[in-house]
Amino acid sequence: DTEVTQTPKHLVMGMTNKKSLKCEQHMGHRAMYWYKQKAKKPPELMFVYSYEKLSINESVPSRFSPECPNSSLLNLHLHALQPEDSALYLCASSPWDRGVGEQYFGPGTRLTVT
Amino acid sequence: GESVGLHLPTLSVQEGDNSIINCAYSNSASDYFIWYKQESGKGPQFIIDIRSNMDKRQGQRVTVLLNKTVKHLSLQIAATQPGDSAVYFCAETFNFGNEKLTFGTGTRLTIIP
Repeated sequence: DTEVTQTPKHLVMGMTNKKSLKCEQHMGHRAMYWYKQKAKKPPELMFVYSYEKLSINESVPSRFSPECPNSSLLNLHLHALQPEDSALYLCASSPWDRGVGEQYFGPGTRLTVT
Repeated sequence: GESVGLHLPTLSVQEGDNSIINCAYSNSASDYFIWYKQESGKGPQFIIDIRSNMDKRQGQRVTVLLNKTVKHLSLQIAATQPGDSAVYFCAETFNFGNEKLTFGTGTRLTIIP
């Protein structure tokens, strides 16, 4: 299984809502990532988990809260988002012992904040 | 066809022709470079990588060239096919095991049948 899955595919939420994005991989990868991608822009790194521990937070606002319950699962909890947070949220994983280059990306969750 | 990723974000190439996508990277300390392909509605897909101790690497129909002197990276796609239509991103990182990958602005490649 060489796939990263993300649910839901689309999410519309109001600014007072709480929602979560889910990412799963079964490739035995020990690094997992959250990226944000705006239209016609490259992915921007948000968080990195290695061995289920948060190793990088790219100064992301606290309304985004990541969680890594186990080595296969990565969540992104959303609360009190702003319309400018609307974007494609991508999850990726990589085999840690080979560095960060060969990341496997999921299809993303298209988030719209109203 | 040829484009500079930062200044000409779109490139149209006739099917069957070769294409060259260019990327100027920013960090002279970067020592590992990757090309990703992102099709519409999908996440980026790894294509090919190269380390700074090499100046050329070939894959299936793709070749990556690295010129560290001018901090320039290129992706050559041979005999382009309709399925090659996508946005192509170069990405850079430094120090093996470094945790952050920095993506370039991207180039949209359109294959004309």
